[in-house]
Parts: sequence; structure tokens; C-alpha cells
Amino acid sequence: DGGITQSPKYLFRKEGQNVTLSCEQNLNHDAMYWYRQDPGQGLRLIYYSQIVNDFQKGDIAEGYSVSREKKESFPLTVTSAQKNPTAFYLCASSSIPGVNQPQHFGDGTRLSIL
Amino acid sequence: GQQLNQSPQSMFIQEGEDVSMNCTSSSIFNTWLWYKQDPGEGPVLLIALYKAGELTSNGRLTAQFGITRKDSFLNISASIPSDVGIYFCAGSQGTPLVFGKGTRLSVIA
Repeated sequence: DGGITQSPKYLFRKEGQNVTLSCEQNLNHDAMYWYRQDPGQGLRLIYYSQIVNDFQKGDIAEGYSVSREKKESFPLTVTSAQKNPTAFYLCASSSIPGVNQPQHFGDGTRLSIL
Repeated sequence: GQQLNQSPQSMFIQEGEDVSMNCTSSSIFNTWLWYKQDPGEGPVLLIALYKAGELTSNGRLTAQFGITRKDSFLNISASIPSDVGIYFCAGSQGTPLVFGKGTRLSVIA
């Protein structure tokens, strides 16, 4: 079945460590997105990519980095510079960037600090 | 960044009741979307709206794209226990979606 796969489902990080969250899609979508969700805050955009080898910062990019080397993959690295990384992270994709296409979401990764 | 005002923040209703929630924006949007999120999962698309005034149904769900293009509402008729969850509105002007903060729906059997 086509869809978006995020892994792992749960991730624990020690202070000072970088961690990478995986997002893979087999929907042949051009655009991919990363959101952070905190209780009562809705979804906030971290980074997005409309094409391979290109990406743009969202509203809360500080402390995060991404890469888009392949169309189907958009990993997110939470760096040690992100002082409050505990959150639920959601990856999404859409078929045609910039043309109001609905985004489809993975099931998320919950990151916690040990 | 842009923000959407979604209301109410939470609702407690009896099974069988109808539900209404809405989103407003200070900006004009070309697209309004409604999503539902169950605990520990990603949001799932319920309804997509692309034209001002558009009224679209998906089973017991009905959503409308406001004439001013600055608002949208979602109605759920005859609620059932599996309607429990968080409902998000999202708007777009051809840029990445802007999300509301969600309406948490609880259904009392």
C-alpha cells in the first residue's frame, strides 16, 4: 500500500546528542514537510522541500536540519542546539507543491529527552 | 507566521448530537482542509475545499468554504463514539498549509 512511513515510533535522546528521524514515502509525491506538534499548539512547520536537493525553512527551523537527496526520503535531524526537543514530530507529503494539494501524514515519531 | 483561529478548543457532546466547529483567518486562502487526528497517530484528511462557497460532504461530515475566503466550518451530524479525536482546519494560498490549533471532541455515550 502507498503511504508515508516514519521511524522510529518512539525515540529517546540524551542531552547534547543529535538524533535523526526518518521519513519515507512511496506515493511519488514531489513535496515533503516536517511538523512539530506540542499539546494545544497545533502543527508548526519546521522545514519543507518541494523538489529533490532543495528545501526551505518553516516557522520553527532553528535547531533542526534536513536533507532531500532522494524524492522518497526526507530525514529530519534534531540537533543539540534545539533546547526543547520533546515533541511529536509529523512528516507529510503532497503531490504538487504550491498548488494547494492536500498533505498526507505519517503516524509520527515521539521524541523524548532522557 | 500566519495563524488560524479555530473554535471551540474542546467540546463534550452526547452521542447522537450534531457538532459544529469553525476556523477564521485574517488572510484569504485558496484552499481549506479539514483533518482528524486520533491519539498517537498522524492527521487524516477528511474534506478538501477549493472554491469560495463550496459545500462538500463526506458521510456524516459537511464542510463549507466561506464566501469571504477567510473562514470555513465543519459539521458532524449524529455523532458516534468513534468521532472522538482532534479536528484540525488548515488553509493554503499555494504555500505550505497553515493549521489551526485543533478542536478536541469528546463523545459521551
